[in-house]
Amino acid sequence: DTAVSQTPKYLVTQMGNDKSIKCEQNLGHDTMYWYKQDSKKFLKIMFSYNNKELIINETVPNRFSPKSPDKAHLNLHINSLELGDSAVYFCASSQDRRAWGQGWYEQYFGPGTRLTVT
Amino acid sequence: GENVEQHPSTLSVQEGDSAVIKCTYSDSASNYFPWYKQELGKGPQLIIDIRSNVGEKKDQRIAVTLNKTAKHFSLHITETQPEDSAVYFCAAPDTGRRALTFGSGTRLQVQP
Repeated sequence: DTAVSQTPKYLVTQMGNDKSIKCEQNLGHDTMYWYKQDSKKFLKIMFSYNNKELIINETVPNRFSPKSPDKAHLNLHINSLELGDSAVYFCASSQDRRAWGQGWYEQYFGPGTRLTVT
Repeated sequence: GENVEQHPSTLSVQEGDSAVIKCTYSDSASNYFPWYKQELGKGPQLIIDIRSNVGEKKDQRIAVTLNKTAKHFSLHITETQPEDSAVYFCAAPDTGRRALTFGSGTRLQVQP
């Protein structure tokens, strides 16, 4: 059974388009994240949600909008795609962030979505 | 916020040799230090972690050491095998943001 899944795995699109990436976790975790990994492999957090509540919103363009319909899903919608958005996007999940010291930071990652904007 | 530095950026070893990757962190309140392994085309996978109440932790060929005074921690892989080839990331919690800050990654190549 896949713990954290993402769709699609590859996404090729043109500049100016709008696209979405979906993420689902079946671990029963309360917190989900989106990370961006650039071509140099740097992993940088973009957003985190705890029980459908936005917790972290890093300085990413407001063209990026996360949506959490329930605590098992966290989708990422990107408007007006730009060349610089090309990267691999990872979804991750962990236990309740409020349980500090009890595992919220044991994060489990999905397989990634490679976004290429042409 | 937390700042994590990781060295080296690339590491090439012969099969059977040991490999060591080092990280430093800045937030003295950090108390949890995970290591992730990322194979080609896959997501990072948690392979080992250490909490600040211990100095060393081992899991078969993998060990992690922590020096809280110096604010650094290291990953040690013994008897390396070709399947150990991957990018390895260290991380530390940013206690202010409740998020993990990752190191820049080390590409380990194990030559058969």
